[in-house]
Amino acid sequence: AQSVTQLGSHVSVSEGALVLLRCNYSSSVPPYLFWYVQYPNQGLQLLLKYTSAATLVKGINGFEAEFKKSETSFHLTKPSAHMSDAAEYFCAVTEGGNKLVFGAGTILRVKS
Amino acid sequence: DTEVTQTPKHLVMGMTNKKSLKCEQHMGHRAMYWYKQKAKKPPELMFVYSYEKLSINESVPSRFSPECPNSSLLNLHLHALQPEDSALYLCASSQGPGGYEQYFGPGTRLTVT
Repeated sequence: AQSVTQLGSHVSVSEGALVLLRCNYSSSVPPYLFWYVQYPNQGLQLLLKYTSAATLVKGINGFEAEFKKSETSFHLTKPSAHMSDAAEYFCAVTEGGNKLVFGAGTILRVKS
Repeated sequence: DTEVTQTPKHLVMGMTNKKSLKCEQHMGHRAMYWYKQKAKKPPELMFVYSYEKLSINESVPSRFSPECPNSSLLNLHLHALQPEDSALYLCASSQGPGGYEQYFGPGTRLTVT
């Protein structure tokens, strides 16, 4: 069965510092992986997706993620944090059906 | 355009009321979803419609009744809800089944009194 583990329920970085949000997945078949961002009282916005075309995936707002099969990881990074990046981030996996399984989420705090 | 719209934005209802949540997309997507999200938790899948047919029901209580009138619309009918049903209800759509990304609406904040 597919599952996602996000390490760190809260991550705090200084403005301008590297953002690293960790995601490990479990899947019995090659997975489809996604990162979503959610601002308070809003829906989820797709940041990026991995669908086996390339292991390094670039998304919106300067975010990118690298698929590492050997580590079953799909960590999200951004070279320089902005105050506007403060939000909750969800990693999600599907094995190709309709069901999307989400991680528990990581709240990113950006300090000025 | 990757927009999914939901109405109403907020809803307060008593435990004996009947109300409906509405969701619409005009992206030509053939799969639509209802999720429930409690505070500080990830979204939980409730229902999936694929090509206008209910394909997944995650053992949701019968007081929640989904409906898909056509490929662009998805409704969630609510009746005799409990206070613990208070949550953010999110609608999403995707091109189809098979690993496509899902696009989410802004949600309906439901409070059951």
